Amino acid sequence: DGGITQSPKYLFRKEGQNVTLSCEQNLNHDAMYWYRQDPGQGLRLIYYSQIVNDFQKGDIAEGYSVSREKKESFPLTVTSAQKNPTAFYLCASSINSRGYTFGSGTRLTVV
Amino acid sequence: KQEVTQIPAALSVPEGENLVLNCSFTDSAIYNLQWFRQDPGKGLTSLLLIQSSQREQTSGRLNASLDKSSGRSTLYIAASQPGDSATYLCAVRGEYGNKLVFGAGTILRVKS
Repeated sequence: DGGITQSPKYLFRKEGQNVTLSCEQNLNHDAMYWYRQDPGQGLRLIYYSQIVNDFQKGDIAEGYSVSREKKESFPLTVTSAQKNPTAFYLCASSINSRGYTFGSGTRLTVV
Repeated sequence: KQEVTQIPAALSVPEGENLVLNCSFTDSAIYNLQWFRQDPGKGLTSLLLIQSSQREQTSGRLNASLDKSSGRSTLYIAASQPGDSATYLCAVRGEYGNKLVFGAGTILRVKS
């Protein structure tokens, strides 16, 4: 079955450490996205990519970085510059006029 | 800048009731609108997708309507069940670009 796989499901980060969240899709979708979700708030866009080797900042890109070397993969790195990284991170993909498909999320906690 | 508002923020109803969740958006230049369901600690599950040229979409007990000119959408849930308890999110995609803008969601609890 086609879908989006996010890993790991839970991730713990120490102060000053960079961590990378994985997102893989086998839907053959061109566009991929990273969203952050905090309690009681809607999803906020971090980065998005419409084609391979190209990506754009979303509304809250500071402290994050991405790459899009393959159509199927869009990893997100949370750097030490992100001062409040504890949140639920969701990856999504889309194609043309169809709606978005989301992964099951990664919960990141600073310890 | 597009803003999406969902009312009410939380709703508690007895099993069997029909209910309506509301979504409003400030910029009517949308490409489509999507309703999602989110269970605690889980990802988003797409419920209904309405293109800007459509007025409504139906799936089982769910019906979503879209009034693009007034910037409103409603999600109607018929004969609610405890299994419908979840957070419901509305999101709009603008005419230009692929980005989705989300509302904060409505937390629904259906009591048995």
